[in-house]
Formats: sequence, structure tokens, C-alpha cells
Amino acid sequence: DIVMTQSPDSLAVSLGERATINCKSSQSVLYNDNKMNYFAWYQQRPGQPPKLLIYWASTRESGVPDRFSGSGSGTDFTLTISSLQAEDVAVYYCQQYYGFPYTFGQGTKLEIK
Amino acid sequence: EVQLVESGGGLVQPGGSLRLSCAASGFTVSNYWMDWVRQAPGKGLMWVSHTNSDGTTTNYVDSVKGRFTISRDNAKNTLYLQMNSLRPEDTATYYCVRVDSRDGSGYRHFDSWGQGTLVTVSS
Repeated sequence: DIVMTQSPDSLAVSLGERATINCKSSQSVLYNDNKMNYFAWYQQRPGQPPKLLIYWASTRESGVPDRFSGSGSGTDFTLTISSLQAEDVAVYYCQQYYGFPYTFGQGTKLEIK
Repeated sequence: EVQLVESGGGLVQPGGSLRLSCAASGFTVSNYWMDWVRQAPGKGLMWVSHTNSDGTTTNYVDSVKGRFTISRDNAKNTLYLQMNSLRPEDTATYYCVRVDSRDGSGYRHFDSWGQGTLVTVSS
């Protein structure tokens, strides 16, 4: 199984400041045939189901604010929130869909400092 | 608007069975692969199972293989998860999710999630 490891486990950032979450996969999730990273980020606000933010490592889902961005390739990925808003308080998960079983990171809890 | 509404959760004794349902609307269900993902109380997300658009291909996480069965009825726009021989560690909220499989591939991200249904396995 591909193990996804996020860092940090929790993060406190001031409003308007940048938040950065990292995710490392135990093997590459870059598919050589199409040069796509089979990797996504999800946001789960308290009491809500997860919501897709980023897919193919860097493609923002429709309706997601442009302060959210994804980067990385192969085994190392980053989610950046450029200017933290109050509504961004949530747990963020990374996921690989390169192979079964699909696996998620353990989650990063983002709070306001 | 895409909607996924799960039902069928509840309290069951260890060794018992439950059948979860997911009613889908707002899209042509037969065009999409569909999955189940679960989340134990206060814990992270775990992918459980996956079915292709016509139900002929399925996959499961090892911990549920032989106990859970995913199926679908496209005519009823409904996805199912039959859960047998339930264990306390199966206690979780179960989410029905849609795979963004518009290009026909199931190896894609999850673009829509239901609100979830809670399954509690306890004596």
C-alpha cells in the first residue's frame, strides 16, 4: 500500500498569513504515460463531509478560492493557503488515487493563531 | 445539483449485518464510478470500496474483503454497501462518494461526497 504522511499534524496561523501543509507518499504517484500526479487535497470543516480542493496535484476544483494552491510531483506535495481566512479552519487531507487501496494522509488540523 | 444521500446506518451487535444505501441525484449515475469511504469517530479517512459504472468491477480494502459487498442499481440511481460479520473496528461514518470518472477511468479523485451515515458496532 502507498503510505501518505502529512506534516505537520496541526498548524496555527494568523488571519491573513500563509499556511503550508506538506504530504509525502511512500512511492511515486506520477503516472509516466500521461505525466499526471494521481494526487488530491480535501478540506473537512467541523461537522461536515470532506470537500475536494485540488486534484492532479495542482488543479483547483471549480468554486475553490484562488488562495488555495497545490504543488509538487512524484512523492512530495504541498498545499498552500496564501492568506488565511476564518472559514479555512478545518482538517486537510491528502490522497493518492494512483493505485488500490486508495490511501489518505492522517490529516492536518489548521487553526487560527 | 449533485446530491448523495446515505441511509441504513445504526447500532448493530458484533457479527451482525447492515446494508447501507446511497441515493444519487443531479447526475447520470450510470456514467460514474462510485466509492465508499469511512471515518471512525475522531479519526481520519479510509477508502473502503469502489465499483465501476456498471458494477462489473469492484475493489475493497483488505480489512473488509470477504465481509463487505459493494453493488449498484443504476435504474434506481442507488449505490449499496452490504456489510456482514461486522466488528467493533468497523464503527465509523460511511460516506458515499462520486469518482470524477467522466473520461471513463476510475482512477480519479472524489468530486462529490454525501453527508454520511453512522454505523456503530457494539454489544
